[in-house]
Amino acid sequence: DAKTTQPNSMESNEEEPVHLPCNHSTISGTDYIHWYRQLPSQGPEYVIHGLTSNVNNRMASLAIAEDRKSSTLILHRATLRDAAVYYCILILTQGGSEKLVFGKGTKLTVNP
Amino acid sequence: DADVTQTPRNRITKTGKRIMLECSQTKGHDRMYWYRQDPGLGLRLIYYSFDVKDINKGEISDGYSVSRQAQAKFSLSLESAIPNQTALYFCATSDFLPGQGDEKLFFGSGTQLSVL
Repeated sequence: DAKTTQPNSMESNEEEPVHLPCNHSTISGTDYIHWYRQLPSQGPEYVIHGLTSNVNNRMASLAIAEDRKSSTLILHRATLRDAAVYYCILILTQGGSEKLVFGKGTKLTVNP
Repeated sequence: DADVTQTPRNRITKTGKRIMLECSQTKGHDRMYWYRQDPGLGLRLIYYSFDVKDINKGEISDGYSVSRQAQAKFSLSLESAIPNQTALYFCATSDFLPGQGDEKLFFGSGTQLSVL
């Protein structure tokens, strides 16, 4: 199963953009790229996902490399409430979340 | 009210005791999952269920059992709890539909279990 690689931690200042990278060099053509985040003392929550094209929603943007071997989650203006662990995972098209692996993720610290 | 509810939120028990963690969902999803999270580590899959009659082991099922009482309810049991089962347990559902092409996971708030 395809795996992802993320930095252990990143730091940002409030109201500045944050770019969280993820490498997935063994991604297959049928894998969706998903991002979840886990706020302190809470369960993970869905952030965004995409297949090939860049995606935007109210929480974030997802930029996917042309070869799909890497992606970047973009928080346009970080707030203190964005401090969390961010997980990049791959889910097969047509189901496959039972196979997904939540690694250690990237712990994002947001400084006031 | 939360879409995925776990009870209890916290539980302290002793070695050898039988423990049941419960999960209920109001999202109408067929797929449900149980994960555990240890400090500083990612989530690991214990069991998953695609519908009431379909239950499967995850990567760390030893020492655990599950019951899918209804579409909305999925319980995790520790038949004889041991200290290394101390962890944060999460239940999740998935909105997967055949032919849909993708899916999202929805998690409960977790149950912190301590086995002394």
